[in-house]
Amino acid sequence: GNSVTQMEGPVTLSEEAFLTINCTYTATGYPSLFWYVQYPGEGLQLLLKATKADDKGSNKGFEATYRKETTSFHLEKGSVQVSDSAVYFCALHNTDKLIFGTGTRLQVFP
Amino acid sequence: ETGVTQTPRHLVMGMTNKKSLKCEQHLGHNAMYWYKQSAKKPLELMFVYSLEERVENNSVPSRFSPECPNSSHLFLHLHTLQPEDSALYLCASSLQNPSGQGIYGYTFGSGTRLTVV
Repeated sequence: GNSVTQMEGPVTLSEEAFLTINCTYTATGYPSLFWYVQYPGEGLQLLLKATKADDKGSNKGFEATYRKETTSFHLEKGSVQVSDSAVYFCALHNTDKLIFGTGTRLQVFP
Repeated sequence: ETGVTQTPRHLVMGMTNKKSLKCEQHLGHNAMYWYKQSAKKPLELMFVYSLEERVENNSVPSRFSPECPNSSHLFLHLHTLQPEDSALYLCASSLQNPSGQGIYGYTFGSGTRLTVV
């Protein structure tokens, strides 16, 4: 079946630190992969995506590379800001379903 | 604004009340979804509508009743809810290609925070 596994949070960092949030997946076929972000009190927003192996998605300084050999789609950012504090969801889209991981809370302190 | 609008943003209802959640999108998407987000639980897909037909109902209790009158509007009718139904209810939409794949991701609304008392 299809599933997404994310590292448990919270991830607590100081401003300007390097961020990695791990995500691995299990899927049949060739899924598309996504990272969504949820700021407090809001719905989910698409952060970045990759639709095939070796694609790199990027947005707002965040990056993730679709690694088929390791079935991973880790989220990285070189220098986080306090405003990046949110919950981050890794997801895969296969056929007609979007399947989410459990989410990882990121807390960035000044 | 994401292009998916949910109303109301907050709702408090008693267990004997009947209420409806509304979702509206004008993105030209052809599929719409209801998700439930509870504290410390994964996002739960409740219902999927593709081209206005319900294609998925994930064992959701009958006290939740979806309605999709057209491709732009989605409702979730609520009646005789339980306190454990308190959660954030998220609506999403997507553009699916003819094979049913959605490579563009979903667009979410801001959600309705429901409290059942």
